Amino acid sequence: AQSVAQPEDQVNVAEGNPLTVKCTYSVSGNPYLFWYVQYPNRGLQFLLKYITGDNLVKGSYGFEAEFNKSQTSFHLKKPSALVSDSALYFCAISGYALNFGKGTSLLVTP
Amino acid sequence: EPEVTQTPSHQVTQMGQEVILRCVPISNHLYFYWYRQILGQKVEFLVSFYNNEISEKSEIFDDQFSVERPDGSNFTLKIRSTKLEDSAMYFCASSYRLAEGTDTQYFGPGTRLTVL
Repeated sequence: AQSVAQPEDQVNVAEGNPLTVKCTYSVSGNPYLFWYVQYPNRGLQFLLKYITGDNLVKGSYGFEAEFNKSQTSFHLKKPSALVSDSALYFCAISGYALNFGKGTSLLVTP
Repeated sequence: EPEVTQTPSHQVTQMGQEVILRCVPISNHLYFYWYRQILGQKVEFLVSFYNNEISEKSEIFDDQFSVERPDGSNFTLKIRSTKLEDSAMYFCASSYRLAEGTDTQYFGPGTRLTVL
């Protein structure tokens, strides 16, 4: 069975500082990994995905993620956080459907 | 930019009643999905649908649930006899599906179902 884990329930960062939201995965075979963001009272919005190729994946809104096979991780990063980045972030691994992590709440303070 | 839409945004029903949640997927997408998110828990897969039949379903998707694509645009989830534990946010998603696992699923805003 394939799964992802998000070890942090909440991440706090000051505006302008770099942010990292962690995700580790477990799979036999090649992983297909995704990040989605959920703003209050909104649906899940796709940020980026890793299928194959370059380990650094660039996505929407200035986010990027680094795929690390040896550490089985796919951490979401942004060089400079904005207050408007405050939201719930979900990592997911894909097979015939998306299997989501429990989510990490990101709070960016001014 | 095309997006997935869902109606209603909030549905309140009495236990034992039937509910139908509606979704309009992105028009050129071929695969359709339902997920749910119970408050405070993670998003869980319910069912996928392709070519007018169920492609995959989870153990959550029991005989109380059914899906249908009644016309060329709508995709519905029916719960025959709602239980208190069906209270959740239900998300519809769609994808084009180039290859299993690699396609991006686009989600609607969700329907919050409250069962009293």
